[in-house]
Amino acid sequence: EAGVTQFPSHSVIEKGQTVTLRCDPISGHDNLYWYRRVMGKEIKFLLHFVKESKQDESGMPNNRFLAERTGGTYSTLKVQPAELEDSGVYFCASSQDLGTGEPYEQYFGPGTRLTVT
Amino acid sequence: GNSVTQMEGPVTLSEEAFLTINCTYTATGYPSLFWYVQYPGEGLQLLLKATKADDKGSNKGFEATYRKETTSFHLEKGSVQVSDSAVYFCALSKERGGSNYKLTFGKGTLLTVNP
Repeated sequence: EAGVTQFPSHSVIEKGQTVTLRCDPISGHDNLYWYRRVMGKEIKFLLHFVKESKQDESGMPNNRFLAERTGGTYSTLKVQPAELEDSGVYFCASSQDLGTGEPYEQYFGPGTRLTVT
Repeated sequence: GNSVTQMEGPVTLSEEAFLTINCTYTATGYPSLFWYVQYPGEGLQLLLKATKADDKGSNKGFEATYRKETTSFHLEKGSVQVSDSAVYFCALSKERGGSNYKLTFGKGTLLTVNP
């Protein structure tokens, strides 16, 4: 079974440009999470999807960030326009939800390293 | 809000040495606690977890015990190997219920094990 994949693995863009990151979760996983690690800091939660619905966007830094999950499969995270402080590693994770209320394991992708110059 | 504090590295050990990475947390109720590991060039992998007080999570020789009284979840291994070199993250999620188990992470601890 394929794991969580992310594309691209690395992106270098100039301030003011737009970048779109993609995450393909494990097939059948309804829950999809985005996280970000800025250099030297903790990995921070950005948002959570259940299927195509955004359940929690409390971690999104500002309205320059837009996440979508059309059809409840893959997800995209667009940054427009990018700023220097957006540099970091963006992780995607997915998990099952069997309705038992248990926190099922989140499977992480390898991350996308974004560098804004 | 929730927070996780873990000892900052880097930690450098010789093979077969004993490892402890301290982790304490702040959260309401009874969160679930996790240790994730990130090997070079790879994504985070769940190493072990504990979902209630006094539970011990274990995997690959690593152990951690959920201590509610000290709000801690320290990671230990009796004899480390070179292949254990990685970044280790302590994390928590809310207690059971609902579907949003977003993780709150510590800053990560880089472990290097020398032969």
